[in-house]
Amino acid sequence: EDQVTQSPEALRLQEGESSSLNCSYTVSGLRGLFWYRQDPGKGPEFLFTLYSAGEEKEKERLKATLTKKESFLHITAPKPEDSATYLCAVQAGTGTASKLTFGTGTRLQVTL
Amino acid sequence: DVKVTQSSRYLVKRTGEKVFLECVQDMDHENMFWYRQDPGLGLRLIYFSYDVKMKEKGDIPEGYSVSREKKERFSLILESASTNQTSMYLCASSLSWDNYGYTFGSGTRLTVV
Repeated sequence: EDQVTQSPEALRLQEGESSSLNCSYTVSGLRGLFWYRQDPGKGPEFLFTLYSAGEEKEKERLKATLTKKESFLHITAPKPEDSATYLCAVQAGTGTASKLTFGTGTRLQVTL
Repeated sequence: DVKVTQSSRYLVKRTGEKVFLECVQDMDHENMFWYRQDPGLGLRLIYFSYDVKMKEKGDIPEGYSVSREKKERFSLILESASTNQTSMYLCASSLSWDNYGYTFGSGTRLTVV
């Protein structure tokens, strides 16, 4: 069974204080690892897809990296508008078996 | 941009009522999904559909059914609502199983009293 574990559960940073969120996974045959951002009361918004170990992707203050066992979402010099819940999901298998399995998320709060 | 629209943002229903949650996507996506999201449990897959009139159970289908009569519309049905079905319901779609991204709707916050 595919498993995704995110840590920490919650993280409070001051503006400009860089940090990383962790997503560790156990799957058979990873096809892709996804990062989403979710604001309160809204649906998840797609950020990145990573397909293979060693891959990195960046968007503004966010950088996602992937190894064979985990992914990190690095947040550099965060701003209050980066406050959200960040979700990680993995896709394995093929066809209808390749549904996304989500972690429970990291709730990030960035204060002034 | 693909848009996934859920018909209601907030719903309050009584125990025992039959409840319909509607979801429409506008980009001809093959696959559609219904999730529920609860604190500490994350997103859990209820049902999904990979074609018109096709459906498959997800991880927590009990107490739910779905309907997909047209490609763009995927409905979640609570046959007899119960208080433990109070939750945030999220609809998502994807182009195909080879296209890995899901696009989510804004969610429906359902309260069963």
